[in-house]
Amino acid sequence: KQEVTQIPAALSVPEGENLVLNCSFTDSAIYNLQWFRQDPGKGLTSLLLIQSSQREQTSGRLNASLDKSSGRSTLYIAASQPGDSATYLCAVHGQNFVFGPGTRLSVLP
Amino acid sequence: NAGVTQTPKFQVLKTGQSMTLQCAQDMNHEYMSWYRQDPGMGLRLIHYSVGAGITDQGEVPNGYNVSRSTTEDFPLRLLSAAPSQTSVYFCASSYSRSGQGFYEQYFGPGTRLTVT
Repeated sequence: KQEVTQIPAALSVPEGENLVLNCSFTDSAIYNLQWFRQDPGKGLTSLLLIQSSQREQTSGRLNASLDKSSGRSTLYIAASQPGDSATYLCAVHGQNFVFGPGTRLSVLP
Repeated sequence: NAGVTQTPKFQVLKTGQSMTLQCAQDMNHEYMSWYRQDPGMGLRLIHYSVGAGITDQGEVPNGYNVSRSTTEDFPLRLLSAAPSQTSVYFCASSYSRSGQGFYEQYFGPGTRLTVT
């Protein structure tokens, strides 16, 4: 059974810092991995999707990497802003979609 | 495109009542799914469908029924509501790519359900 974990559970940083969020999964037989953002009381917004054959994807200040063999993905956020404050979730698509518990990020002005 | 829509946004039920949460998508996606999100538990898959007429159970299917008569709609039925079903429910859809499983998921805004 696929299990997905995310470290850290919560993170508080001052504005302008570069930061890394981690996602680990136990079964490397996956099609893709997707990163989402969720604002309080809202739905999920897709940020990046990495296919299993890819090593990384970039969108603006976000960069996601995937190391399928070691069961890890990282989401790198450059020059963080208060507007980046949200919960970040990773989801692994293998036999089905399995979500991690999320990292709650606070970026302080 | 409206994307994935869900109704209602909020609902309060009494224990034992039944209701249907509606989900629709206008992107012609084959794959649709229902999740529930609870504090400290993350999102858990309830039921999913890979096409009209095909449904299957996810991680937490007990107490819920689904059907998929059209590509667009995937309603979730609570047969006899229990307080343990108090949660936020999300519907999602996705499309397939040959040999690559299903592609990125698109989520609806959610339904916040309280069972008293």
